[in-house]
Amino acid sequence: AQKITQTQPGMFVQEKEAVTLDCTYDTSDPSYGLFWYKQPSSGEMIFLIYQGSYDQQNATEGRYSLNFQKARKSANLVISASQLGDSAMYFCAMREGRLRGSNYKLTFGKGTLLTVNP
Amino acid sequence: DVKVTQSSRYLVKRTGEKVFLECVQDMDHENMFWYRQDPGLGLRLIYFSYDVKMKEKGDIPEGYSVSREKKERFSLILESASTNQTSMYLCASREGGGTEAFFGQGTRLTVV
Repeated sequence: AQKITQTQPGMFVQEKEAVTLDCTYDTSDPSYGLFWYKQPSSGEMIFLIYQGSYDQQNATEGRYSLNFQKARKSANLVISASQLGDSAMYFCAMREGRLRGSNYKLTFGKGTLLTVNP
Repeated sequence: DVKVTQSSRYLVKRTGEKVFLECVQDMDHENMFWYRQDPGLGLRLIYFSYDVKMKEKGDIPEGYSVSREKKERFSLILESASTNQTSMYLCASREGGGTEAFFGQGTRLTVV
């Protein structure tokens, strides 16, 4: 079974508008964390935002916020005031599987390609 | 700044060759990872290591092996390259207990 599901292969948004990228996850571990990464066409992976399973408030980083709904097992990324430079592939990821202290692996979704139109 | 360096950006190898992909990080991170990225499939974990000489299979280890003899270096080995191993390979590292994983620039491997 997929651990991370991103149901939107592609999304389009107008410049300056907000956009939500969906992510649902599946884990039985009570301690986990959720990440979003951005991958522009150049290929590098850029960390955007992190939410821990025990965090009481939704994470925010500048124009990025994570809409964390624990009961629904969803961790959607909201980008406010989209810019042309936001056009990229976006990956949701989850850490789980605690090993020997605080080491764990990261599992990624299939990604959503966001295109920002002028 | 954390730096994760992969030895090659582009690589072309012949079927049956033994291929080494090298990854070096300069921040003394405990955890290192190898992923392959294919269109429509996202990033899939091949192997990860949480300490020197310690490794765990990821989701798609078949056809691959790894080596971590020193903390800063994590090598991915294709014992006998096949065309279905043509892909983008990404290395990442993370501090044990840390959150953010840092990625290398990727190696685009073509097996002909």
